[in-house]
Amino acid sequence: KNEVEQSPQNLTAQEGEFITINCSYSVGISALHWLQQHPGGGIVSLFMLSSGKKKHGRLIATINIQEKHSSLHITASHPRDSAVYICAVNMYSGGGADGLTFGKGTHLIIQP
Amino acid sequence: EAQVTQNPRYLITVTGKKLTVTCSQNMNHEYMSWYRQDPGLGLRQIYYSMNVEVTDKGDVPEGYKVSRKEKRNFPLILESPSPNQTSLYFCASSLSLAGGRSRVGELFFGEGSRLTVL
Repeated sequence: KNEVEQSPQNLTAQEGEFITINCSYSVGISALHWLQQHPGGGIVSLFMLSSGKKKHGRLIATINIQEKHSSLHITASHPRDSAVYICAVNMYSGGGADGLTFGKGTHLIIQP
Repeated sequence: EAQVTQNPRYLITVTGKKLTVTCSQNMNHEYMSWYRQDPGLGLRQIYYSMNVEVTDKGDVPEGYKVSRKEKRNFPLILESPSPNQTSLYFCASSLSLAGGRSRVGELFFGEGSRLTVL
């Protein structure tokens, strides 16, 4: 069983809609990463979170460490936001967390 | 320009023929790592390195080797490739963060290397 679960797996929405992608994990972590992968394959980092909330442009990421849950929100969605969004976690260990475990990704399509 | 460079980008090879995928970064990052991406399985970590001469296994290290002799380079070696290693491979790097619980900072990915083993 994957220790990082994302939902939904697929999401199709209309331009302008508010989008929420969820990530849940089952063990203690030291940080959580949100990544974006466009068709054609390149991966870029959107956020790295260890607590609270971060905002960059129309993207907002939140994390609740106690509930082991993070959300990625996109406001005023646009067709260029169409991509796969991937959640990744640093599993915490006493000596520091270096390995990464990934969710399987959420495939988002924004229609004009 | 800050970047992570992988080579080759595309490769078709045959079972058993040793190959190396190179990864180089110009950001003086301590942390480097390799991942493979397969349909339905997502990204999985193969190996990572916190610094020169320090490497650790990820979730799927079998059939792979790595070395970290210099800070900027982290090659992935397939000594005897098999068809189940056909995949899309990504290298990534980041700063190693001191003082916090996480030692992995923002990740910078290479463009990917699509490997086919016949």
